Amino acid sequence: QLQLQESGPGLVKPSETLSLTCTVSGDSISSSRYNWAWIRQPPGRGLEWIVTMSYSGGTYYSPSLNSRVTLSVDTSKNHFSLNLTSVTAADTAVYYCARQSLDPLAARPIFDYWGQGTLVTVAS
Amino acid sequence: DIQMTQSPSSLSASVGDRVTITCRASQSISTYLNWYQQKPGKAPKLLIYGASGLQSGVPSRFSGSGSGTDFTLTISSLQPEDFATYCCQQSHSTPFTFGPGTKVDIK
Repeated sequence: QLQLQESGPGLVKPSETLSLTCTVSGDSISSSRYNWAWIRQPPGRGLEWIVTMSYSGGTYYSPSLNSRVTLSVDTSKNHFSLNLTSVTAADTAVYYCARQSLDPLAARPIFDYWGQGTLVTVAS
Repeated sequence: DIQMTQSPSSLSASVGDRVTITCRASQSISTYLNWYQQKPGKAPKLLIYGASGLQSGVPSRFSGSGSGTDFTLTISSLQPEDFATYCCQQSHSTPFTFGPGTKVDIK
């Protein structure tokens, strides 16, 4: 059974860097069958896609966050990490990692497995 | 970016009711539309992919339809465990965007 688990600080100061890790169990993140993503949800608001990483095919970013986001991968620990720089209160959100698969109808992206999410608050 | 809107933003319904939620895209997205269910404090759960495909393990009372810019999610007979927020997501192009959600609560 695939499981994803986010970890990282729950409180980050403004202008600093938010760093989160997603540990995957039950599958290898180096598998070329799947991509891996970060998605966030500000309190009381809708979901916002941040970035998707393909182990074999590169990374694609939301244009609104592109300049502040970096991803890294540690295949030995089967985890991938998100860094978001220069945070402000607007970055306060629950951050989810998710597996991005292709749907069987049209081979378009779907987010079929999600971590439980971790709340990150940006405040001094 | 493709903007996703939903209506209504919330609705009250009773167990056994038929519920329909609408999602609209700001441009044509063919059938590249997914639906998720989210309960308070939990991660979203994929219900429908490709506008009408039922994700494995999801009850058949959930169905989806539509193409182009207009889509619907229907729950044929609302069950107690279906009280939740439902959102749509387009997979036509990046950035992938989600609708704001429709909260279904108990009448």
